[in-house]
Amino acid sequence: AQSVTQLDSQVPVFEEAPVELRCNYSSSVSVYLFWYVQYPNQGLQLLLKYLSGSTLVKGINGFEAEFNKSQTSFHLRKPSVHISDTAEYFCAVSDLSGTYKYIFGTGTRLKVLA
Amino acid sequence: GAVVSQHPSWVICKSGTSVKIECRSLDFQATTMFWYRQFPKQSLMLMATSNEGSKATYEQGVEKDKFLINHASLTLSTLTVTSAHPEDSSFYICSARVEAGAYNEQFFGPGTRLTVL
Repeated sequence: AQSVTQLDSQVPVFEEAPVELRCNYSSSVSVYLFWYVQYPNQGLQLLLKYLSGSTLVKGINGFEAEFNKSQTSFHLRKPSVHISDTAEYFCAVSDLSGTYKYIFGTGTRLKVLA
Repeated sequence: GAVVSQHPSWVICKSGTSVKIECRSLDFQATTMFWYRQFPKQSLMLMATSNEGSKATYEQGVEKDKFLINHASLTLSTLTVTSAHPEDSSFYICSARVEAGAYNEQFFGPGTRLTVL
């Protein structure tokens, strides 16, 4: 079975500063990894995904993440955040077996301060 | 492409009534859809896997008689919350799986906010 850990429940950061949101996963098989953003009272928006290939994945809104198999991590980074990046961020993992289920982390609330 | 819609986007109902939520894949066919529940300030919890033409598979602890799922076509799954109570108030999100061999990616609907009075 897979699991996802987002250790930081909240991350405050000043505008234009860099940010890293941490995600670690546990799985005995190969996985797909995803980062989603959720604004208040809205659904999920895909930021980026790792399916295979290059371990550095670039997504929308200037975000990127690096898949590190040895450390079982998929941390999300942005070099310079904006006030509009304030939202909830979820990491998710899906295995390549037949269930196709996603397992979500508990989320990290990013609060960008002026 | 790969757009998923939900209807309604929000609903308020009285305790004891039933509410139906629709999930549609607009530009692709999906034999597998998923229903999630999200309480305020919490993560998404998978409720069930909806399979076209067969019974849904419920996660442990989810009452199948309370949360009825019907996946009658390749583009539509419905979730009916029967005899709703205030504790069923939540944000319900569906997703549809794009199928291409072992490729596995879900596309999410915008969610439905259910408030039971």
